[in-house]
Amino acid sequence: GAGVSQSPRYKVAKRGQDVALRCDPISGHVSLFWYQQALGQGPEFLTYFQNEAQLDKSGLPSDRFFAERPEGSVSTLKIQRTQQEDSAVYLCASSSPSGGSNTGELFFGEGSRLTVL
Amino acid sequence: AQSVTQLGSHVSVSEGALVLLRCNYSSSVPPYLFWYVQYPNQGLQLLLKYTTGATLVKGINGFEAEFKKSETSFHLTKPSAHMSDAAEYFCAVSGSGGYQKVTFGTGTKLQVIP
Repeated sequence: GAGVSQSPRYKVAKRGQDVALRCDPISGHVSLFWYQQALGQGPEFLTYFQNEAQLDKSGLPSDRFFAERPEGSVSTLKIQRTQQEDSAVYLCASSSPSGGSNTGELFFGEGSRLTVL
Repeated sequence: AQSVTQLGSHVSVSEGALVLLRCNYSSSVPPYLFWYVQYPNQGLQLLLKYTTGATLVKGINGFEAEFKKSETSFHLTKPSAHMSDAAEYFCAVSGSGGYQKVTFGTGTKLQVIP
């Protein structure tokens, strides 16, 4: 696709519900990142994929957070038993069409805004 | 590990005035440095980046930034602010080579007063 696409754009969940957020990266981009952006804060790294391999998940805040990218393209971030502190915008970014050295230039989607009541 | 500190969460300038957004970095290795801009309800967009070579880098929309190793700074400037520059600006850093996590600052919201 022309850009990074995320869905849903807005999600309201009751505390304790499970949610799934989808990211469709730019076609051919090998690297995919998830970030969490709380209100008034900068994006905080969650996890990184190179193709289907999850190479870094050091930013996932708890074992309730799980991400996958089974075929190396679309990725899903799943949050189980949501809590109010999970309310944030979840940003997906892709980069590195050649899969080579990462110059850090990330192409971001518009984000999925999660509100947990 | 790398980190960035952005001085000033809010900056106001008059239309036509100089824009200066401050960023200092901390890195144990030669850093790559970036400025991203975020308009309301949108994702982040790259303004400019420093990887190697010339320390003064020019980006889109008339912005530029200078990498100063001695000051560990990468401040963003624009000679003359335009109303359309009102947005939030994020400084970011990563290490160089291979996979490197990009770490963002807390952001500076720029207000342009007509």
